[in-house]
Amino acid sequence: AQSVTQLDSQVPVFEEAPVELRCNYSSSVSVYLFWYVQYPNQGLQLLLKYLSGSTLVKGINGFEAEFNKSQTSFHLRKPSVHISDTAEYFCAVSKGSNYKLTFGKGTLLTVNP
Amino acid sequence: EAGVAQSPRYKIIEKRQSVAFWCNPISGHATLYWYQQILGQGPKLLIQFQNNGVVDDSQLPKDRFSAERLKGVDSTLKIQPAKLEDSAVYLCASSPQLAGGYNEQFFGPGTRLTVL
Repeated sequence: AQSVTQLDSQVPVFEEAPVELRCNYSSSVSVYLFWYVQYPNQGLQLLLKYLSGSTLVKGINGFEAEFNKSQTSFHLRKPSVHISDTAEYFCAVSKGSNYKLTFGKGTLLTVNP
Repeated sequence: EAGVAQSPRYKIIEKRQSVAFWCNPISGHATLYWYQQILGQGPKLLIQFQNNGVVDDSQLPKDRFSAERLKGVDSTLKIQPAKLEDSAVYLCASSPQLAGGYNEQFFGPGTRLTVL
């Protein structure tokens, strides 16, 4: 069975500071990895995904993530955050396309002025 | 392109009552998912449909939850009777079925259910 651990439930940062949201997963098979963002009262939006190939993945809104197979991690980073990045971020894994997504518990990123 | 539509957006009921949620996926998407998102947790898959057939309902509490996708388009999720612990946001998602490619899931805005 797959599981996802998001190590921080809340991350407060100041505007224009860098941020890293941590995600570790466990799986006995190769997986696809995802980061989703959820703004208040909205559904989930895909930020980026790792399917194969380059371990550094770039997504929307200036976010990127690095797949580290040896450490089973997929941490999300942004070099300079904006107030508008305040949202809940979810890491998720899947065995493949059309397989169910298993989500972590989420990290609430709060960007303060 | 229109996104995944869900209704109602909010619902408040008392325990032991029944409730139904509706989802209209993106046109042409063969796969439809229902997720339950309890406050403070990530979404959990309840049921996955491929066209009008069930692919995975292993985490659906079948004694009280039911779902259908007649004609392989829109879908209804029902809870009967509701319990306090069913308070959550119910998310619907859909994805295309593209051979040999990755099929992204697109999420609707969700229905927030409060059981009193």
